[in-house]
Amino acid sequence: QSVLTQPPSVSAAPGQKVTISCSGSSSNIGNNYVSWYQQLPGTAPKLLIYENNKRPSGIPDRFSGSKSGTSATLGITGLQTGDEADYYCGTWDSSLSGVFGGGTKLTVL
Amino acid sequence: QLQLQESGPGLVKPSETLSLTCTVSGGSISSSSYYWGWIRQPPGKGLEWIGSIYYSGSTYYNPSLKSRVTISVDTSKNQFSLKLSSVTAADTAVYYCARHEAGMEMDVWGKGTTVTVSS
Repeated sequence: QSVLTQPPSVSAAPGQKVTISCSGSSSNIGNNYVSWYQQLPGTAPKLLIYENNKRPSGIPDRFSGSKSGTSATLGITGLQTGDEADYYCGTWDSSLSGVFGGGTKLTVL
Repeated sequence: QLQLQESGPGLVKPSETLSLTCTVSGGSISSSSYYWGWIRQPPGKGLEWIGSIYYSGSTYYNPSLKSRVTISVDTSKNQFSLKLSSVTAADTAVYYCARHEAGMEMDVWGKGTTVTVSS
C-alpha cells in the first residue's frame, strides 16, 4: 500500500480536461514539494511537474500542478490519445525517504 | 545531455545479493546539490523508491528495505551502485536509476533494467 493515495484510474474524452489527485499527510505532501511523472507503456517515468506547479522545459502547458495542504492535483487539458499513460505523484517524507503514489491509469476514450 | 544507464545481472538466485550499477554520462556525478537514486517497479505495479545517495556521500534508504540495501558512489568511474541482499521473488522488478534534487524531482532517468529473482 502506497504512502500517497491516488485514484487507480481516470478517463475522459479527447479534447476534455482531467484531474488526478494525490493525497498524503503533513509528514510528506504537507511539508514538501510534489512532483508528477508520466509513464508511457514500456518506458521509464518522465518528469511532468516539479515543486508543485513548475513544468520542465519541453512539457506543454496543457499539464499543470497544484497543491493545497496535504493534497496535490495534476491537471491535463486538451486531452490527446498520446496522453494515455500511468501518472505518479512523488515527494519526500519526514523520515527522509522518498514516497510515490500508487499510480493512476489515464484512459482517453 | 546527461544520461543514465543501468547495468547488472538480469537473473539472481533467491537469498543472493542483487548488484546493479548506474553509469552517468554527459555530466559529473560529483555535481553539487544532486542526489542519485534507485527506484524499482514490480511487474504490473507502481513505483517504489529504494534509496538515494547525495553527491557528498550521504545515503537515504527506504525504511522497509534499509536492512538489505547499500548504495555507494564511485566518482572515479562516474557511477553509483545498488546492492540488495537476501533477495526473494518479491524483489523481481524493473530497476531504474535517476537523478534528483532536494525536492525529490527526478528529472533524468535511466531506461531501466529487469531483474528476475529465480532459482
